[in-house]
Amino acid sequence: DAGITQSPRHKVTETGTPVTLRCHQTENHRYMYWYRQDPGHGLRLIHYSYGVKDTDKGEVSDGYSVSRSKTEDFLLTLESATSSQTSVYFCAISEPSGRQNEQFFGPGTRLTVL
Amino acid sequence: AQSVSQHNHHVILSEAASLELGCNYSYGGTVNLFWYVQYPGQHLQLLLKYFSGDPLVKGIKGFEAEFIKSKFSFNLRKPSVQWSDTAEYFCAVKNSGGYQKVTFGTGTKLQVIP
Repeated sequence: DAGITQSPRHKVTETGTPVTLRCHQTENHRYMYWYRQDPGHGLRLIHYSYGVKDTDKGEVSDGYSVSRSKTEDFLLTLESATSSQTSVYFCAISEPSGRQNEQFFGPGTRLTVL
Repeated sequence: AQSVSQHNHHVILSEAASLELGCNYSYGGTVNLFWYVQYPGQHLQLLLKYFSGDPLVKGIKGFEAEFIKSKFSFNLRKPSVQWSDTAEYFCAVKNSGGYQKVTFGTGTKLQVIP
């Protein structure tokens, strides 16, 4: 398995509180992604990064922000969590120059917003 | 914009039955295609991928998929399923240019009955 860890793995929080999820990789891959997985919706891209300090929005970016200050870390922040953000969040990485752009996924973070 | 449709949301099969899961995509250019599998409680893992060449792609665990360009399809097949194939399967598409965005289908849950 690719060296991707996510923390925390489980979190329960209350509406209105800020939450930060961390994705850490040891593969030195350039691209990193945050997805959310919800029943009936599959995986939807929240934000992605194509290098240190280079990020862009995905299809469901409202209410989320990201930061990437180091190649190995990609943080996802919910500024003020809402119940609609209850989901399973997956981080993924890819490297265009190798393995033909395959994405590798982390173990996921289950977030519950009460 | 690219999109992916998986028409079968839930499939139930008996062991040894043959499997075919449908995947259709919409994108006008050259694409890379993927099938991922997610076993219960786990992260997504790559089953197989198509980039170019032979449209019949063989993956792990006896799975294969056929790219039919004229039909914009990339259906997943397995001649004889096992109980251990119980999982959710996701089709995904990426334009083959430099942009790394991958679009996922909504997934098909496969339940194999012993």
